[in-house]
Amino acid sequence: DSGVTQTPKHLITATGQRVTLRCSPRSGDLSVYWYQQSLDQGLQFLIHYYNGEERAKGNILERFSAQQFPDLHSELNLSSLELGDSALYFCASNVGDGTNYEQYFGPGTRLTVT
Amino acid sequence: GQSLEQPSEVTAVEGAIVQMNCTYQTSGFYGLSWYQQHDGGAPTFLSYNALDGLEETGRFSSFLSRSDSYGYLLLQELQMKDSASYFCAVMDSSYKLIFGSGTRLLVRP
Repeated sequence: DSGVTQTPKHLITATGQRVTLRCSPRSGDLSVYWYQQSLDQGLQFLIHYYNGEERAKGNILERFSAQQFPDLHSELNLSSLELGDSALYFCASNVGDGTNYEQYFGPGTRLTVT
Repeated sequence: GQSLEQPSEVTAVEGAIVQMNCTYQTSGFYGLSWYQQHDGGAPTFLSYNALDGLEETGRFSSFLSRSDSYGYLLLQELQMKDSASYFCAVMDSSYKLIFGSGTRLLVRP
C-alpha cells in the first residue's frame, strides 16, 4: 500500500458524459501527478500539480482538466467522453516539486466508456 | 521528439538472471528510473540512476550509460513473483517523467 488513494476504483459511463476522478496523496506529499494507461501501454503523463499550482502538462486533451485543492487532494475531470478514453488512470505523489524521480502510485481508476 | 525503447517481452527461467534494456532519446535528461507493475496493479518504484554506472539493491541492479543513452535493469535469482511489466522512465528537462512502453517479463518454472 503506497498510501495514495484513488476513487472510484471502477467507473463505467457512456460516450459524451463527464466524470471526475479523485486522488488523495500520501500524507506530507505536495506533488500530485496524473497518468493515463491504455491497454498494454506505458503510462502517459497528463499533468502535475505542486502545492495547488500546475507545474507541468503532458499531452492532456482539452476535454480533460485537473485541479489540486488546499487540502492537497486532486481531481481529474474528463468531459465529452469518447470510447478511446477508456483506460486506467493513475495518480502518483511525492514530496518534491517535480525533481523527485520516485513517485508513489495509487491503485488507479479503471474507466470504461461504452 | 521524446522516445524510450524497450523490448516488448522477455522470458526467463526461475533462478536465472535476466537483463531488460532501455534506450532513450529525450529533450534533457536528469536520470533513468525503473518501475515494476504487476497485472492489474499500480507501478512501484525500483531504482534510479543519475550518473553512469551500476546501482544495486538486493536482487535488482540498474545500469546507466549517459553517453550511449542506454540503461538496463538486471534481475538475479529470478522468482515466479518477478513476472510483471518493467518500465524505464526518464525525467526530462521540464521534470516530467516519460515512461517507455514496458517489457513484460515471464518467469517459467
